[in-house]
This record gives sequence, C-alpha cells and structure tokens, in this order.
Amino acid sequence: DAGVTQSPTHLIKTRGQHVTLRCSPISGHKSVSWYQQVLGQGPQFIFQYYEKEERGRGNFPDRFSARQFPNYSSELNVNALLLGDSALYLCASSFRVAQGTITGELFFGEGSRLTVL
Amino acid sequence: SQQGEEDPQALSIQEGENATMNCSYKTSINNLQWYRQNSGRGLVHLILIRSNEREKHSGRLRVTLDTSKKSSSLLITASRAADTASYFCVQNAGGTSYGKLTFGQGTILTVHP
Repeated sequence: DAGVTQSPTHLIKTRGQHVTLRCSPISGHKSVSWYQQVLGQGPQFIFQYYEKEERGRGNFPDRFSARQFPNYSSELNVNALLLGDSALYLCASSFRVAQGTITGELFFGEGSRLTVL
Repeated sequence: SQQGEEDPQALSIQEGENATMNCSYKTSINNLQWYRQNSGRGLVHLILIRSNEREKHSGRLRVTLDTSKKSSSLLITASRAADTASYFCVQNAGGTSYGKLTFGQGTILTVHP
C-alpha cells in the first residue's frame, strides 16, 4: 500500500516568490496535517484538515494557507517567501479521528525541503 | 511555549546497550506518542500511550507515562546501529486541539557498532 506521498521533494525559491506543496494521504485517511520543521528543531504544527474543512491552525502568518480536495489530497501554499521559511515541510495523514480530532497516530510523508534564497 | 522537553538532547551508546530518553510536558494530554526520524526525513510512529495507561511495550520499546509528573520515558533495549535517529516525544491534547500534535526538540541517539 502506498504511504503518504509529497511533492516536490526539494525546491529552491527566492524571497518574495510563492510556493505550492502537495500531499496525497494514505488511502482511507480523511485527515491531513501540515508541519514545518526547521533544521535542528521539532516539527511545528501549521494546519489540520478533516473532511475538506480546516480544523486547526498553528501560529503561522496569513501567508500560509492550505486546502483539502474531495479526494482528501491537500495543498500547502506559502506566499511572499522569506528566508526564514526555509524548512522541511511535512504532511501527515491520520485514520483515527473522532469529531475532527486526531486520536491516533500520524503517518508522515518524506517531506518537501524548501530552500529560500 | 507548550512544547515539551526531551532529555538528554543527545545520547551516544554502543550497540547492545539500552537507551533511555525522557520527556516532560506542560499541558494535560489525551495521549502521548513517540516518533523516530532518520536524517531529516519523514517521521515514523513508534508507540502511543494513552493518558490512562502507565506502561506499554512494543518489541524492544518500552514506554512509561506518569501524568502526575507530566513525564514519559522511552527505553530501547539491546540497541542496534539502525536505531541511530532523532526521537521525538509528541503530546496530543485531544479535544479542541484537533490535529495539533506538540513536538519536543528531540533526542539525537547515536548507536556505535
């Protein structure tokens, strides 16, 4: 069975540009979460989507946005890129969800490594 | 910050030895999870312990949870070189926290052959 897939795996952008990262969850998983991991730190929560609705948002500026499609895949968009946005962006899907709240483990993709120059 | 803290930040041992990592957290939890990350790649779920459980085993892994002290520990027995990775303690507050799992900064484990 295919795990969580993310694309692209690596990308380089310049300050001020826009980026779109994509994620396909494990088949049957309706919840998708996005995390940002800066080098040397643990992942930081950005968004969670469940049944195509935003269910949770972390402490990130409005330049960050996301959406979930009817097939439960998801996109993370970041506008007006800053140098500090350079990070590994992780997508995770989850099966065990109750009333929109994740109750079980997350299954992570390999991430999209974004470098902003 | 609601982040927990892992201790130690780095641990270096020989193959065959046991590795113990500790985690403290600040808020009440629904469950606590441990994840492993190899060389900045995706994270792999290791084990989940619910707030009403005190100890859980999975293969060479043993996790304990003390909710009164807001702490947890992960023991890896008979370590192998392949266990070399970063290990994260992850809090799931449940309820209206939705998908927000709170990661600590991790323990970097190095197992020497």
